[in-house]
Amino acid sequence: SQQGEEDPQALSIQEGENATMNCSYKTSINNLQWYRQNSGRGLVHLILIRSNEREKHSGRLRVTLDTSKKSSSLLITASRAADTASYFCATDKTGANSKLTFGKGITLSVRP
Amino acid sequence: GAVVSQHPSRVICKSGTSVKIECRSLDFQATTMFWYRQFPKQSLMLMATSNEGSKATYEQGVEKDKFLINHASLTLSTLTVTSAHPEDSSFYICSASPSGTYNEQFFGPGTRLTVL
Repeated sequence: SQQGEEDPQALSIQEGENATMNCSYKTSINNLQWYRQNSGRGLVHLILIRSNEREKHSGRLRVTLDTSKKSSSLLITASRAADTASYFCATDKTGANSKLTFGKGITLSVRP
Repeated sequence: GAVVSQHPSRVICKSGTSVKIECRSLDFQATTMFWYRQFPKQSLMLMATSNEGSKATYEQGVEKDKFLINHASLTLSTLTVTSAHPEDSSFYICSASPSGTYNEQFFGPGTRLTVL
């Protein structure tokens, strides 16, 4: 079964609104990361949150991590049309140098 | 900093031919490079991990004779899809790690392979 699963699978919002995307995972992790992928492009790293952290901010991004529920959320505040992309969470399992496992991604559309 | 390039960005080939994709770390040395495959609207699936100067480690279900990986230098890894078939059509993405760790990866822009 999928280690990282995001929901919703697709999200459409108006510019200026906040976008919240969730990720759930199944095993204990070292870190959880969020990436953005524009259509037909590679991945851009957004933020990494460690298993001992609960919240992290970077600009308009806010990430939370609840290890008891094995879930994370990515909040993009004051969204812009340029935020339109697919967003993936990726986890590396507890243990030395575990590979990244990606979720299926969330497609975010921000309407101007 | 931490820029990774891929070449070509898009390739169309005939069935039965081989295609080579290059992945370069432009401003850092990459101890480890990773190759992923992504189907439309799907997640990234790790194909293999390559370390400079040694054989690549392939994930379960990935044919090493089909997907040849060479990591000849600290800034270049190549993926060759041999005897390509239409089912090999996909988006191939590489990433590079300066530290050799999975949780620090910088991704290339991807290569769209279409096999006719």
